[in-house]
Amino acid sequence: NAGVTQTPKFRVLKTGQSMTLLCAQDMNHEYMYWYRQDPGMGLRLIHYSVGEGTTAKGEVPDGYNVSRLKKQNFLLGLESAAPSQTSVYFCASRASGGVNTGELFFGEGSRLTVL
Amino acid sequence: GENVEQHPSTLSVQEGDSAVIKCTYSDSASNYFPWYKQELGKRPQLIIDIRSNVGEKKDQRIAVTLNKTAKHFSLHITETQPEDSAVYFCAAVGRAGGTSYGKLTFGQGTILTVHP
Repeated sequence: NAGVTQTPKFRVLKTGQSMTLLCAQDMNHEYMYWYRQDPGMGLRLIHYSVGEGTTAKGEVPDGYNVSRLKKQNFLLGLESAAPSQTSVYFCASRASGGVNTGELFFGEGSRLTVL
Repeated sequence: GENVEQHPSTLSVQEGDSAVIKCTYSDSASNYFPWYKQELGKRPQLIIDIRSNVGEKKDQRIAVTLNKTAKHFSLHITETQPEDSAVYFCAAVGRAGGTSYGKLTFGQGTILTVHP
């Protein structure tokens, strides 16, 4: 039982390049999230999904796209990377629960540097 | 959308003292409030949570209180130990039927340092 797995864990991009971060969870969770973490800024929500085939914007969605074609996977895409997107990215998932509660399980994080 | 404000941004205490971290939220439709602890270089992990139908919850040295009317909640750590040193995040979750359903918004984080 791997939990939440993110790939890649490290990546260096040049400005304008594109890439996709993959998040996979094996806990059959309904909800999945992508956050970015920057010093002094906490965890900011980029996009999230409340179920297969659905996505919604978070606090800082500009410059990112997501897809949830399969329940276990949540992909985060950068179409044209910018230095401002240098950050640590965390994927997370949680079960829906009958009362909207449930622990958020995080991946190990992906460190992205855009030069 | 939901906005969560967390204070203080840094907190320094002596071992054995108590620590209190406070958060406010904006969306009255939020109904679940977890707290996460993140040690240096690691992923955040849940330490305690509270639902909107409960005013207080305690788990050994940590407790959380919720005031729905004022839309604020707090984390209390008693008898602090050096291993409590970490970044702590509060969060709020939008409930079903609201525009923020399922959305989990974090506060900015508090760096807690416990000095031996």
